[in-house]
This record gives sequence, C-alpha cells and structure tokens, in this order.
Amino acid sequence: GENVEQHPSTLSVQEGDSAVIKCTYSDSASNYFPWYKQELGKRPQLIIDIRSNVGEKKDQRIAVTLNKTAKHFSLHITETQPEDSAVYFCAGYTGTASKLTFGTGTRLQVTL
Amino acid sequence: DGGITQSPKYLFRKEGQNVTLSCEQNLNHDAMYWYRQDPGQGLRLIYYSQIVNDFQKGDIAEGYSVSREKKESFPLTVTSAQKNPTAFYLCASSIETLGETQYFGPGTRLLVL
Repeated sequence: GENVEQHPSTLSVQEGDSAVIKCTYSDSASNYFPWYKQELGKRPQLIIDIRSNVGEKKDQRIAVTLNKTAKHFSLHITETQPEDSAVYFCAGYTGTASKLTFGTGTRLQVTL
Repeated sequence: DGGITQSPKYLFRKEGQNVTLSCEQNLNHDAMYWYRQDPGQGLRLIYYSQIVNDFQKGDIAEGYSVSREKKESFPLTVTSAQKNPTAFYLCASSIETLGETQYFGPGTRLLVL
C-alpha cells in the first residue's frame, strides 16, 4: 500500500521567513495530494491540494509543488505569521484503494 | 466542514466496556471515514464507507466496529477488544466520486478510566 513520509517533524522559523515541508510517497498510482493544517485540539482543515497533472499551485502565501518523477511534493509558506503555527499534514490519495494515507505531521512554530 | 458533527467531545471508557462515538453529516456526502490520531503520529484509517449499508476495514480496524444504516450517520464502536483505545478520533466525509477531498468533524477524545 501507499506510504507517505514527511519531514521535518518540527520546524521553527521567525516571523516573516519562509517555511518548507517535504513529503515523499511510494505508490506511483497516487494522483491527489492534499495538505491539512491542525491547530491544537482542533480538526484538520484542508489548506491546499494538488493533482498529479499539475506541477505547482499557489494560494496567496501558500504553495504546493509536485515532482511525479521523484515522487515528492512540498508545502511552501511565505511571509510566515504567528497564526501559521500549527501541525501540518500531507497526504496521498490512491484511487484504486479509495483512501488517503497521511504523513506523520510537521509542527511549525513561528516565533516573533 | 461545519456540516460534520461528532459527539461527545470527551468520552471515558471503563475496562471491558464498549463505547460508541457518534458522527453525523448534513452535507449529503456519500463517503464517510473514521480515523484515529495518536500524539506525534498522523491519522490512521480505521473504517470507511462509500455507500449506505456497506463499509470496509482500514489499516487499524481490529477492536472497532461500525454501521452505516443512514447516509448521514456513521457511528464507531470501540469494543473491549481494543486494548489501547486512548486517542483522538476524527470522522470525515467526502463526495464519493471525489473521495479524495475529505472534510473533518471536530473529533472525540477517548480516555480510559
């Protein structure tokens, strides 16, 4: 089955700097890659997603890139703000299995 | 995701007891999912259902059971066979044909007395 690895597990950046979180996946049939943000004690919220026919997608300060050949995708957050502090999860979706496989999460802390 | 509700917010289980977690959605989504979240780990799939009266085991189904008698409801029972049930349980739903985009409920935290 699909295996998704996520790095780093923790990331601390200063306000205004950029943050990058990377994920790799194993199943070449995976075709959809969402990113979720989870604040402490809250539900995961979808923040951006990308499909396998697209290399990059942007939404204001966040962007996701996908390299199908290397089987990795990354989340980029620019001009970080304290409210960006949360745990971020990547995931990969395999249509044949009809399920999402999640990475283990990255705890992002934005310091003043 | 405001259309998915879970209850209770906190649940306490005694040894040997079965407990049931509720999940309801009014989004008219066909597919529903149950995940378990442990500290420092990602979300692991317990069970999922793509249509009423049908469901499939996920990666960690042992010690759990589900039912899907109505489209809007997908309750999860944590049985006494689940020896380490303490975790944060999240329910999600999606439009079946676009099953990859999932929206989560607020979660239930289960603790063992």
